[in-house]
Formats: sequence, structure tokens, C-alpha cells
Amino acid sequence: GNSVTQMEGPVTLSEEAFLTINCTYTATGYPSLFWYVQYPGEGLQLLLKATKADDKGSNKGFEATYRKETTSFHLEKGSVQVSDSAVYFCALSDFKTIFGAGTRLFVKA
Amino acid sequence: EAGVAQSPRYKIIEKRQSVAFWCNPISGHATLYWYQQILGQGPKLLIQFQNNGVVDDSQLPKDRFSAERLKGVDSTLKIQPAKLEDSAVYLCASSLEGGRDSPLHFGNGTRLTVT
Repeated sequence: GNSVTQMEGPVTLSEEAFLTINCTYTATGYPSLFWYVQYPGEGLQLLLKATKADDKGSNKGFEATYRKETTSFHLEKGSVQVSDSAVYFCALSDFKTIFGAGTRLFVKA
Repeated sequence: EAGVAQSPRYKIIEKRQSVAFWCNPISGHATLYWYQQILGQGPKLLIQFQNNGVVDDSQLPKDRFSAERLKGVDSTLKIQPAKLEDSAVYLCASSLEGGRDSPLHFGNGTRLTVT
């Protein structure tokens, strides 16, 4: 069956550091890929998505590229801010949406 | 647009009691989902509705969990009887069409504690 694996957290960075959160997937078909974010005290919300191989999703300075050859969708940001502290979930969707376990990010001032 | 509404926000019950959660999706969204999120884990899909029909309930523990979506709009999720391992956040989400490209819009969830 389909599955999503993402790097364990927590990830702790200083402000303005470079962020990478790894995500790999297993799928039998051609799913769409998503990153969702959960800020403290808030609900899950869409961060970005990519619907086919080589697509790049981007939002709020975050980027992720759909890599079919490596079955990956790593999340990156060039310079993190304290306000980026949250839990990040990688997800894939074909018939239904499956989530990874989440990676907690702490950004220190 | 108004977001996905869920109630209650918190619920504490004893094991073997029953509990119900309510969800009102975004207006016009055809697909509604219930997810269970145990602390430290990602959300797990319990049931997916397309309008008022069930599309997937393969991971719903049907001996104790039930869900319905009245008239293709509001939905309720019930647990009867509850077990300790049901302690989790129950998330409701909706999407416009339910296809692979449609992102999910989540409510704030109901945090259930079973003692």
C-alpha cells in the first residue's frame, strides 16, 4: 500500500539557517504530494503541493520538488524565521490522503 | 469563506462511555473526512464521504465507531463504547472535489481523553 516516511524531529535551528525536512513516499500510482503545517494552537493547513513529477510547489519561502526517480518530496527554506516554528506533515493523495508522522521544527532567535 | 467547524473542542469521558463529535464542512465541499491523530503521530484516515455516501471506511473500527453525513453536509462521528486507546485528536476535513489534486481543509479538531 501507499506510505509516507519523513525525518524524525525535533529539528532545532537558529534564525536565518537553511532548512531541509526529508520526505520519501511509496505509491503504486501517480499521487499528488503535499506539505501541511500545524502552527501552535492552530489546525492543519496546506503549505504547498505538487501534482506531477518535476513540479515544484512553493509558498511563504518554502519549496519542494516532486522527484519521481527518488520518490521524494523534501521541504526546503533558505532562511527560517522564529514564526516558522511548527509541525510539518508530508502527505500523498491518490484515492485518499495519507500523512507522514510529522516533523517538529523549533527556530531560535 | 468560513472554515471547517468542529465541536466540542475538548471532551473527557470514562472508558465504556459513548461520545459524539460534530463537523460542518466548508460550504459547497463535496468530500468530508474524519481523521484520528494520536499524540506524536500523523493523522490516520477513519472515513471518507463523497456527498452523503461512504467512499472509504477501511480503517474505521466498526465495532465501536460509526459516522454519518446527513444530507451531504454536516457529519457526526460516534464512539461507543470508548476505550483508553481512543484518546486522540479527531480531525474533520473537507475538500472541494475529493480528487487527488484537491487539498484538504481542516477544522481545529476535538481532543478526546478517555480515562
